[in-house]
Amino acid sequence: AQTVTQSQPEMSVQEAETVTLSCTYDTSENNYYLFWYKQPPSRQMILVIRQEAYKQQNATENRFSVNFQKAAKSFSLKISDSQLGDTAMYFCAFMKYYAGNMLTFGGGTRLMVKP
Amino acid sequence: DSGVTQTPKHLITATGQRVTLRCSPRSGDLSVYWYQQSLDQGLQFLIQYYNGEERAKGNILERFSAQQFPDLHSELNLSSLELGDSALYFCASSVRDGGKDYTFGSGTRLTVV
Repeated sequence: AQTVTQSQPEMSVQEAETVTLSCTYDTSENNYYLFWYKQPPSRQMILVIRQEAYKQQNATENRFSVNFQKAAKSFSLKISDSQLGDTAMYFCAFMKYYAGNMLTFGGGTRLMVKP
Repeated sequence: DSGVTQTPKHLITATGQRVTLRCSPRSGDLSVYWYQQSLDQGLQFLIQYYNGEERAKGNILERFSAQQFPDLHSELNLSSLELGDSALYFCASSVRDGGKDYTFGSGTRLTVV
């Protein structure tokens, strides 16, 4: 079974600064996907960024980028130029390449962006 | 609007009762997934349906059941409710069985009193 660990329950950052959220996972699979989801107070689960394990290049989406270290089983999210609207819970998630494609989530990191 | 519709948004019911949560997937999506988000257990996968057939099962209690209908909408039935069943229940959909193109609904908040 896969496990996903987010070791930072809460973090805060000043507006316009950069913050990095950590995620580690454990799996015996070689092919898989990794995700970061954002859950604002509205409760909606919003996909922030996705990484495919076979791709060596780190994914980026505007101000969001990841540092994917496959050997270390690490998948951190960097948010640049933090904005007040980035305040939310952030969940790291794992999905096998095949086999029912369910998501396994970490426990989440609550991020507060301060003005 | 994600295109995945969940109803109702909020539900308050008593212990021992039965409720049905409904999910309409995004247009064109054949797979529906149910997740439970609770303070104790975090976000957990419950069950997946693809084009009317059960495809994968996670940590779903025997008191819970689900189905997907010919029009592809899905229902999650929760019976003999306990206080610990209070949670946010998410539905997600994707085009295929297998793949990464998930879209989540906004969830149903269930409170058992």
